[in-house]
Amino acid sequence: AQSVAQPEDQVNVAEGNPLTVKCTYSVSGNPYLFWYVQYPNRGLQFLLKYITGDNLVKGSYGFEAEFNKSQTSFHLKKPSALVSDSALYFCAVRDISSASKIIFGSGTRLSIRP
Amino acid sequence: KAGVTQTPRYLIKTRGQQVTLSCSPISGHRSVSWYQQTPGQGLQFLFEYFSETQRNKGNFPGRFSGRQFSNSRSEMNVSTLELGDSALYLCASSSTTGRQETQYFGPGTRLLVL
Repeated sequence: AQSVAQPEDQVNVAEGNPLTVKCTYSVSGNPYLFWYVQYPNRGLQFLLKYITGDNLVKGSYGFEAEFNKSQTSFHLKKPSALVSDSALYFCAVRDISSASKIIFGSGTRLSIRP
Repeated sequence: KAGVTQTPRYLIKTRGQQVTLSCSPISGHRSVSWYQQTPGQGLQFLFEYFSETQRNKGNFPGRFSGRQFSNSRSEMNVSTLELGDSALYLCASSSTTGRQETQYFGPGTRLLVL
């Protein structure tokens, strides 16, 4: 069975500092991995995805994520946080080897203080 | 291109009633998925449709049903509403049901069951 974990409910970062939002996953085969962001009273917006290839994936709004197969992680990163990055972030996984459904993590609330 | 649209945006129902939510995918997209988002359970997959056929189903009771029309628009129905059905219902579309396809989400329908 596939699963995804976001170990931190909340991450607090000062504006201008680097940020990391953690995600670990478990699938029986190879994973497709996604990051989505949700602003208040809005649906989810796609940030980036990992399919195959380079372990560092670049996405929207200056975000990037690093795929680490040995640690089964897909952490979201940004070199310099903005107050406008404050939102709820979801990691998601889909097993590449089957027509399985996408599974979302529990979400991490990112708060950027000025 | 217009994004994914969902109607209605807000809905108040009472226990025992039924409700139908509608989703219009991005033009050209043939796959539609539905998710339930609650503070307690997070984002949970409901079902996925492709070309009018249900391809995947989550772990929800039979009170939750859906369908997709020939124009790819989709509806989901919840019968005999319970208080616990209060949630944000999100619809997502993608151009195929392929595992690497990116899902684009609508703004959601917020359902309150009294």
